[in-house]
Amino acid sequence: DAKTTQPTSMDCAEGRAANLPCNHSTISGNEYVYWYRQIHSQGPQYIIHGLKNNETNEMASLIITEDRKSSTLILPHATLRDTAVYYCIVGSRSSNTGKLIFGQGTTLQVKP
Amino acid sequence: SAVISQKPSRDICQRGTSLTIQCQVDSQVTMMFWYRQQPGQSLTLIATANQGSEATYESGFVIDKFPISRPNLTFSTLTVSNMSPEDSSIYLCSVPAIPGGETQYFGPGTRLLVL
Repeated sequence: DAKTTQPTSMDCAEGRAANLPCNHSTISGNEYVYWYRQIHSQGPQYIIHGLKNNETNEMASLIITEDRKSSTLILPHATLRDTAVYYCIVGSRSSNTGKLIFGQGTTLQVKP
Repeated sequence: SAVISQKPSRDICQRGTSLTIQCQVDSQVTMMFWYRQQPGQSLTLIATANQGSEATYESGFVIDKFPISRPNLTFSTLTVSNMSPEDSSIYLCSVPAIPGGETQYFGPGTRLLVL
């Protein structure tokens, strides 16, 4: 599985958009980009995933560059409850193993 | 989505003892995963537990230390054996939304402190 690189930490003002970057320059053609977050003292929560097209759901938007070497998770209107560690993970659905290899993630602090 | 519960939610144990952690899912799933999260660290996959077969362990984890049971499609246990303070971690189970998929639901975790 391709490795990912994320900034260690980021701050965001409440109500503003939070843009969390992720580099995955070694991603292969059949690998998806997944985003999870872990709020303090809870298990990780699935947010969104994508292959090459931009994706949006009720939680966030995922923007994947055309060369697929990087992506950005966008929380359009961050709230204090969005304070968490955000993990960008690359995985191959074709492997059928379901394994998730977590990196260190980005600690997002949403401030009032 | 799947609802996952774990027992116990937390425990304090003495070194040399063993603790069995339970993971219960509200639907039948073929695959279940066990992760460890050491203090201040990210999650590390311990093993994949498929019903009806032996668990598959990741590099650095062995069955003697972390025996896993998978008696049916909704339940699994992870035992942390002969514990040492280095085993103090959060232990989490997860299940995929679809078999083999990386979209997963996680339990709340079991917080273990070994003295």
